[in-house]
Parts: sequence; C-alpha cells; structure tokens
Amino acid sequence: DAGVTQSPTHLIKTRGQHVTLRCSPISGHKSVSWYQQVLGQGPQFIFQYYEKEERGRGNFPDRFSARQFPNYSSELNVNALLLGDSALYLCASSLSAGPGGNQPQHFGDGTRLSIL
Amino acid sequence: QKEVEQNSGPLSVPEGAIASLNCTYSDRVSQSFFWYRQYSGKSPELIMSIYSNGDKEDGRFTAQLNKASQYVSLLIRDSQPSDSATYLCAVNALSGGGADGLTFGKGTHLIIQP
Repeated sequence: DAGVTQSPTHLIKTRGQHVTLRCSPISGHKSVSWYQQVLGQGPQFIFQYYEKEERGRGNFPDRFSARQFPNYSSELNVNALLLGDSALYLCASSLSAGPGGNQPQHFGDGTRLSIL
Repeated sequence: QKEVEQNSGPLSVPEGAIASLNCTYSDRVSQSFFWYRQYSGKSPELIMSIYSNGDKEDGRFTAQLNKASQYVSLLIRDSQPSDSATYLCAVNALSGGGADGLTFGKGTHLIIQP
C-alpha cells in the first residue's frame, strides 16, 4: 500500500510569494496533520484536519492555512512568504483524530521549501 | 506550554551494545507517546508507540513509560550501524480545545560505532 504522498518534493520561492503544498494520506486514513521542521529541531505542529474539519492549530500566524478535501487529501497554503518559512514541511496521516490522539501518525517524505 | 526534552547528543554506542535514549515531558495529561527515527535528509519514521506505564517490546526496541516521573525512554538492543540516526520523542495530550498535534523533542543524534 502507498504511504503518505506529498508534492512537490522541493520548491524555491521568493519573499512575499504564496505557496501551496499537497498531501495524500494513507488509504483509509481520515486525519491529516501538517508540521514544519527547521534544521536541528523537531517538527512543529501547524494544523490537524479530520473529516474535513480543523481539529487543532499550532502557534503559527494567519499566513498559514489549510483545508481537507472529501477524499481526505489536504493542502497547506502559506501567504506572504518570509525567509524564516524555509523549512521541511511534513504531512502525517492517521486513522482518526480523537481526544488524546492515540492513533499513530505516519509521515510523508516532506516538501523542502526554500525562500530566497 | 507543552515541552518535550531530549539530550541532543551525539550519543555514541559501540555496535552490539544497548543504546538508551531518554525523554521527559512537561504536560501531566499527556496520553500517547511515540518514538520516531529520522535519517539525515529524510522524514520521521514511526518505530514505537506506548500508552500505559511499563515496558513495550518490539523486536530489538523497547519503549518504557513512567507517567508519574513524566519520563519515556527507548532502548535499542544489539545496536547496528544502520541504527545511526536522530531519534525523536513525541507526545500527545488530551484534546482540551487546543492543538491536538504531536509535540516533539529536538531529537537525540545516535551514532553506532562499528
């Protein structure tokens, strides 16, 4: 079975531009989460979606937004890009998303975003 | 502010020995605990999950959880050079209207010396 797939794998943008990152979860998984990982740090939680509804949001500015589609795939949008947005953006899927988040999350290969 | 603390290392262990990785967390209501392995330039790979106090074994890996001490560890037996990677500890708490994602530590860089 296919794992979590993300596109594109690499992206180069300039400051002030907009970017859209895409994610397809593991078949049967209904929850998608997005994380940002900068070099030398652990992933930082951005959003979690379950059944097309936002279930959680991390400490990121409103320039970051996301949505989940009926087929459970997801997009992460970032507006007005800053140099500090350069990072590896990871998508993770899980079967569900309930209180306590017991379902393990499985990560895709990520999108490496570079801002010039 | 939920925090997860790990020694960044590097932790150097001879091949064949036991590698012991430790993690502490600040949120007492944390319910789910995960260990991920991340090779350089790659994404995190789930290797263990643990939800209740005690030990959980899976092959060469053993996760240990002590909620009273807010401590979780990962033991790797018979360490192999292919185990050399960064190990990330991740914690999830009960949803209380806030973020429901995983909180990660910075990771411990493990080096297995042949």
